Amino acid sequence: DVKVTQSSRYLVKRTGEKVFLECVQDMDHENMFWYRQDPGLGLRLIYFSYDVKMKEKGDIPEGYSVSREKKERFSLILESASTNQTSMYLCASSLHRGHQPQHFGDGTRLSIL
Amino acid sequence: AQKVTQAQTEISVVEKEDVTLDCVYETRDTTYYLFWYKQPPSGELVFLIRRNSFDEQNEISGRYSWNFQKSTSSFNFTITASQVVDSAVYFCALSEALVYAGNMLTFGGGTRLMVKP
Repeated sequence: DVKVTQSSRYLVKRTGEKVFLECVQDMDHENMFWYRQDPGLGLRLIYFSYDVKMKEKGDIPEGYSVSREKKERFSLILESASTNQTSMYLCASSLHRGHQPQHFGDGTRLSIL
Repeated sequence: AQKVTQAQTEISVVEKEDVTLDCVYETRDTTYYLFWYKQPPSGELVFLIRRNSFDEQNEISGRYSWNFQKSTSSFNFTITASQVVDSAVYFCALSEALVYAGNMLTFGGGTRLMVKP
């Protein structure tokens, strides 16, 4: 079974802090994704990566950056956290070809105070 | 641009009732894929089904069935004889066949299903 592991289930940070959310997958997937989930808005794509050191902006990249130095790890960075970034963050991975399903982690509920 | 609409934000049923979750999508692509995911209270999204735009056959898997109709751009999901364990948020999603984008998904807003005993 594919396992996507997010480093924290719950995280509380303060406004202005630099925040790192980590995601690791164990199935050698090329694609990795970061979403945020807000009530009524579904999941919105922040960034995705289709290879090491490659990244593409999603629908809502402002205020975020990402890093993919190794194939199995994809980090989401909030450069200077703000209260409107309080949300549930979900990481996912998938094979690159054939529109295979994405596999999701358990999510990180991030609160910015 | 692609869009997925799940007009039902919340549905409440009593156990053993049948329930249908609606999904309507918009895309200019002729080749695309549609997905349904389940998000139980634990939080992890669980993949349920993938359907490509060239296959309009309905699909049944146990108590779950899916009705894909290109004419109305809909991909509805029916749970027969619902159970309390079906309580979750269900998401419909669309992936267009853009080569560089891999398989980016556009999600609907989700439908929260509550099944009461």
